[in-house]
Amino acid sequence: GENVEQHPSTLSVQEGDSAVIKCTYSDSASNYFPWYKQELGKRPQLIIDIRSNVGEKKDQRIAVTLNKTAKHFSLHITETQPEDSAVYFCAGSNYQLIWGAGTKLIIKP
Amino acid sequence: DGGITQSPKYLFRKEGQNVTLSCEQNLNHDAMYWYRQDPGQGLRLIYYSQIVNDFQKGDIAEGYSVSREKKESFPLTVTSAQKNPTAFYLCASSTTGGESPLHFGNGTRLTVT
Repeated sequence: GENVEQHPSTLSVQEGDSAVIKCTYSDSASNYFPWYKQELGKRPQLIIDIRSNVGEKKDQRIAVTLNKTAKHFSLHITETQPEDSAVYFCAGSNYQLIWGAGTKLIIKP
Repeated sequence: DGGITQSPKYLFRKEGQNVTLSCEQNLNHDAMYWYRQDPGQGLRLIYYSQIVNDFQKGDIAEGYSVSREKKESFPLTVTSAQKNPTAFYLCASSTTGGESPLHFGNGTRLTVT
Protein backbone atom coordinates (compact mmCIF):
# COMPACT_ATOMS: atom_id res chain seq x y z
CA GLY A 1 0.00 0.00 0.00
CA GLU A 2 0.91 3.67 0.03
CA ASN A 3 3.75 4.60 2.33
CA VAL A 4 5.58 7.74 3.42
CA GLU A 5 8.99 7.35 5.02
CA GLN A 6 10.49 10.19 7.02
CA HIS A 7 14.12 10.70 8.07
CA PRO A 8 15.73 11.28 10.45
CA SER A 9 13.60 10.34 13.45
CA THR A 10 15.59 12.78 15.60
CA LEU A 11 17.61 15.78 14.47
CA SER A 12 19.73 17.95 16.72
CA VAL A 13 21.16 21.21 15.34
CA GLN A 14 22.91 24.23 16.78
CA GLU A 15 20.82 27.35 17.08
CA GLY A 16 21.29 29.43 13.95
CA ASP A 17 22.16 26.45 11.75
CA SER A 18 19.88 24.92 9.11
CA ALA A 19 17.79 21.79 9.51
CA VAL A 20 16.63 19.47 6.73
CA ILE A 21 14.03 16.73 7.06
CA LYS A 22 13.41 14.33 4.19
CA CYS A 23 10.43 12.24 3.15
CA THR A 24 9.91 9.71 0.40
CA TYR A 25 6.57 8.42 -0.86
CA SER A 26 5.50 5.38 -2.80
CA ASP A 27 2.29 6.45 -4.56
CA SER A 28 3.26 8.21 -7.79
CA ALA A 29 -0.27 9.67 -7.99
CA SER A 30 0.26 11.69 -4.80
CA ASN A 31 -0.06 15.38 -5.55
CA TYR A 32 -0.33 17.21 -2.22
CA PHE A 33 2.44 17.30 0.38
CA PRO A 34 1.87 19.17 3.67
CA TRP A 35 4.20 19.59 6.64
CA TYR A 36 2.88 19.88 10.20
CA LYS A 37 4.61 21.04 13.36
CA GLN A 38 3.57 19.66 16.72
CA GLU A 39 4.88 21.16 19.93
CA LEU A 40 4.88 19.01 23.05
CA GLY A 41 1.35 18.26 24.23
CA LYS A 42 -0.25 20.42 21.56
CA ARG A 43 -2.09 19.94 18.30
CA PRO A 44 -0.31 19.63 14.94
CA GLN A 45 -0.36 22.81 12.89
CA LEU A 46 0.25 23.20 9.17
CA ILE A 47 3.44 25.14 8.51
CA ILE A 48 3.79 24.76 4.75
CA ASP A 49 2.46 22.64 1.93
CA ILE A 50 3.27 22.06 -1.73
CA ARG A 51 1.39 20.67 -4.69
CA SER A 52 2.85 18.55 -7.43
CA ASN A 53 2.87 21.29 -10.06
CA VAL A 54 5.45 23.23 -8.02
CA GLY A 55 9.04 22.26 -7.29
CA GLU A 56 9.75 24.59 -4.40
CA LYS A 57 7.88 26.85 -2.02
CA LYS A 58 9.22 29.28 0.59
CA ASP A 59 7.74 31.06 3.57
CA GLN A 60 10.27 33.15 5.45
CA ARG A 61 12.72 30.70 7.11
CA ILE A 62 10.86 27.61 5.91
CA ALA A 63 11.03 26.03 2.47
CA VAL A 64 9.83 22.79 0.94
CA THR A 65 11.26 21.15 -2.17
CA LEU A 66 9.61 18.41 -4.22
CA ASN A 67 11.20 15.98 -6.65
CA LYS A 68 8.37 14.05 -8.32
CA THR A 69 10.69 11.92 -10.40
CA ALA A 70 12.50 10.63 -7.35
CA LYS A 71 9.32 10.74 -5.22
CA HIS A 72 10.81 12.67 -2.37
CA PHE A 73 10.25 16.02 -0.70
CA SER A 74 12.14 17.90 1.98
CA LEU A 75 11.57 20.56 4.63
CA HIS A 76 14.30 23.15 5.07
CA ILE A 77 14.45 25.43 8.10
CA THR A 78 17.14 28.12 8.04
CA GLU A 79 18.51 30.18 10.94
CA THR A 80 16.94 27.82 13.47
CA GLN A 81 15.61 29.26 16.71
CA PRO A 82 14.66 27.63 20.04
CA GLU A 83 10.97 27.89 19.16
CA ASP A 84 11.58 25.60 16.18
CA SER A 85 12.01 22.70 18.61
CA ALA A 86 9.08 20.37 17.97
CA VAL A 87 8.06 17.22 16.14
CA TYR A 88 7.58 17.68 12.40
CA PHE A 89 5.36 15.42 10.32
CA CYS A 90 5.31 15.11 6.55
CA ALA A 91 2.42 13.63 4.60
CA GLY A 92 1.52 12.77 1.04
CA SER A 93 -1.92 12.65 -0.46
CA ASN A 94 -3.67 11.15 -3.40
CA TYR A 95 -7.12 11.96 -2.00
CA GLN A 96 -6.22 10.44 1.40
CA LEU A 97 -3.32 11.64 3.57
CA ILE A 98 -0.55 9.18 4.36
CA TRP A 99 1.63 10.35 7.25
CA GLY A 100 5.32 10.02 7.96
CA ALA A 101 6.39 8.86 11.43
CA GLY A 102 7.69 12.26 12.50
CA THR A 103 11.03 13.93 13.22
CA LYS A 104 11.89 15.33 16.60
CA LEU A 105 13.87 18.52 16.00
CA ILE A 106 16.06 19.70 18.87
CA ILE A 107 17.64 23.13 18.72
CA LYS A 108 20.76 23.36 20.90
CA PRO A 109 21.52 26.78 22.41
CA ASP B 1 -9.54 26.89 19.28
CA GLY B 2 -9.04 27.39 15.57
CA GLY B 3 -12.71 26.54 14.98
CA ILE B 4 -12.47 22.97 16.29
CA THR B 5 -13.39 22.18 19.86
CA GLN B 6 -12.59 18.90 21.53
CA SER B 7 -13.85 18.13 24.97
CA PRO B 8 -12.87 17.24 27.54
CA LYS B 9 -9.11 17.90 27.52
CA TYR B 10 -8.47 15.05 29.97
CA LEU B 11 -10.68 12.01 30.46
CA PHE B 12 -10.33 9.15 32.91
CA ARG B 13 -12.31 5.92 32.70
CA LYS B 14 -12.32 2.47 34.20
CA GLU B 15 -11.60 -0.50 32.00
CA GLY B 16 -14.74 -1.99 30.50
CA GLN B 17 -16.58 1.31 30.15
CA ASN B 18 -17.45 2.95 26.87
CA VAL B 19 -16.51 6.61 26.57
CA THR B 20 -17.44 9.25 24.00
CA LEU B 21 -15.12 12.04 22.92
CA SER B 22 -16.68 15.19 21.56
CA CYS B 23 -15.56 17.09 18.44
CA GLU B 24 -17.35 20.17 17.14
CA GLN B 25 -16.29 22.49 14.31
CA ASN B 26 -17.67 25.81 13.13
CA LEU B 27 -15.54 26.06 10.01
CA ASN B 28 -18.26 24.69 7.73
CA HIS B 29 -15.88 21.92 6.68
CA ASP B 30 -17.27 18.87 4.93
CA ALA B 31 -14.59 16.41 6.03
CA MET B 32 -13.77 15.37 9.59
CA TYR B 33 -11.23 12.93 10.97
CA TRP B 34 -10.22 11.14 14.15
CA TYR B 35 -6.58 10.31 14.81
CA ARG B 36 -4.90 8.46 17.63
CA GLN B 37 -1.41 9.39 18.83
CA ASP B 38 0.64 7.32 21.25
CA PRO B 39 3.71 8.73 23.06
CA GLY B 40 6.54 9.36 20.63
CA GLN B 41 4.48 8.06 17.73
CA GLY B 42 2.91 9.47 14.61
CA LEU B 43 -0.73 9.93 13.72
CA ARG B 44 -2.93 6.92 13.00
CA LEU B 45 -6.30 7.38 11.35
CA ILE B 46 -9.26 5.87 13.19
CA TYR B 47 -12.28 7.05 11.19
CA TYR B 48 -13.11 9.79 8.72
CA SER B 49 -16.21 11.32 7.26
CA GLN B 50 -16.50 13.23 4.01
CA ILE B 51 -20.16 14.10 4.35
CA VAL B 52 -23.02 13.99 6.82
CA ASN B 53 -24.41 10.52 7.56
CA ASP B 54 -21.43 8.81 5.96
CA PHE B 55 -18.10 7.70 7.38
CA GLN B 56 -15.31 5.24 6.61
CA LYS B 57 -12.90 3.18 8.67
CA GLY B 58 -9.31 4.26 8.87
CA ASP B 59 -6.28 2.12 9.65
CA ILE B 60 -7.17 1.32 13.29
CA ALA B 61 -10.97 1.38 13.52
CA GLU B 62 -11.38 -1.76 15.64
CA GLY B 63 -12.85 -0.96 19.04
CA TYR B 64 -14.07 2.48 17.98
CA SER B 65 -17.32 3.85 16.58
CA VAL B 66 -18.41 7.23 15.20
CA SER B 67 -21.46 9.07 13.98
CA ARG B 68 -21.94 12.07 11.70
CA GLU B 69 -25.50 13.22 12.19
CA LYS B 70 -24.62 16.89 11.80
CA LYS B 71 -22.00 18.59 9.64
CA GLU B 72 -20.39 20.28 12.62
CA SER B 73 -20.18 17.26 14.94
CA PHE B 74 -18.20 14.03 14.75
CA PRO B 75 -18.16 12.22 18.14
CA LEU B 76 -15.90 9.22 18.72
CA THR B 77 -16.86 6.39 21.04
CA VAL B 78 -14.07 4.27 22.48
CA THR B 79 -15.67 0.94 23.32
CA SER B 80 -14.62 -1.72 25.79
CA ALA B 81 -13.47 -3.76 22.79
CA GLN B 82 -10.51 -1.43 22.27
CA LYS B 83 -7.62 -3.26 23.95
CA ASN B 84 -5.31 -0.31 24.57
CA PRO B 85 -7.47 2.81 24.69
CA THR B 86 -5.10 5.04 26.66
CA ALA B 87 -3.82 7.60 24.15
CA PHE B 88 -4.04 11.16 22.87
CA TYR B 89 -6.98 11.59 20.48
CA LEU B 90 -7.02 14.32 17.87
CA CYS B 91 -9.99 15.44 15.81
CA ALA B 92 -9.46 17.35 12.57
CA SER B 93 -11.46 18.85 9.74
CA SER B 94 -10.80 20.03 6.21
CA THR B 95 -12.77 21.67 3.44
CA THR B 96 -12.67 18.63 1.20
CA GLY B 97 -10.74 15.38 1.16
CA GLY B 98 -7.08 14.69 1.75
CA GLU B 99 -5.78 17.45 -0.51
CA SER B 100 -6.71 20.40 1.68
CA PRO B 101 -5.11 21.51 4.95
CA LEU B 102 -6.24 19.84 8.15
CA HIS B 103 -7.34 21.94 11.10
CA PHE B 104 -6.82 20.08 14.36
CA GLY B 105 -8.53 20.40 17.72
CA ASN B 106 -6.47 20.57 20.90
CA GLY B 107 -6.95 16.91 21.57
CA THR B 108 -8.33 14.73 24.36
CA ARG B 109 -5.98 12.71 26.51
CA LEU B 110 -7.79 9.53 27.55
CA THR B 111 -6.53 7.39 30.39
CA VAL B 112 -8.17 4.04 31.07
CA THR B 113 -7.23 2.13 34.19
